[in-house]
Amino acid sequence: DIQMTQSPSSLSASVGDRVSITCRASQDISSYLNWYQQKPGKAPKLLIYAASSLQSGVPSRFSGSGSGTDFTLTISSLQPEDFATYYCQQSYTIPAFSFGQGTKLEIK
Amino acid sequence: EVQLLESGGGLVRPGGSLRLSCAASGFTFSNYAMSWVRQTPEKGLEWVSAIGGGGGSTFYADSLRGRFTISRDNSKNTLSLQMNGLRAEDTAIYYCAKTPRPTVTKGYCFDFWGQGTLVTVSS
Repeated sequence: DIQMTQSPSSLSASVGDRVSITCRASQDISSYLNWYQQKPGKAPKLLIYAASSLQSGVPSRFSGSGSGTDFTLTISSLQPEDFATYYCQQSYTIPAFSFGQGTKLEIK
Repeated sequence: EVQLLESGGGLVRPGGSLRLSCAASGFTFSNYAMSWVRQTPEKGLEWVSAIGGGGGSTFYADSLRGRFTISRDNSKNTLSLQMNGLRAEDTAIYYCAKTPRPTVTKGYCFDFWGQGTLVTVSS
């Protein structure tokens, strides 16, 4: 099975900061990588699919990059509503679609 | 507006059974593959099972095969998960999730999620 490792596990930042979250796959997954945002008590929300494609309705301050084994989610200017937990998910192996362990983004 | 509404969760004893349902609306249900994803504080998000839009293709996490059965009724826009032989480690919030394509293929993602239903397995 492909293991997905996110770093950091938690991150403190301020409104207006630029932040990046990294996801590393245990083997090459090409660009089959998705990112989700989850707020407390809510379901995850799709932000980025295929490593860099922005899901409809998601603000342009969110962007994704990477291919192979290393991927990055970047938020260009943090807004108050962005404080949440972020997960990556690989969609390379069918059907074992594994998720990363999550990165909790907190207000500094 | 896409809506997914899960039901059927609750408290069940180890070895027991439970059937989860997901009522879908706001899209042509039969055109899209669907999945169940569960979440615990300890293990995070874990994909459980998926089914193609037509219902003919089903997939399961290796750890679950033989105990869980996914199905769908396209005439009623309903997704189901029959869970048998439940164990304490099956305790989780179970989400119904839609995908933006009819089949389970590479590039599979979950573009809409329900609010989740809690399953607790305990004696």
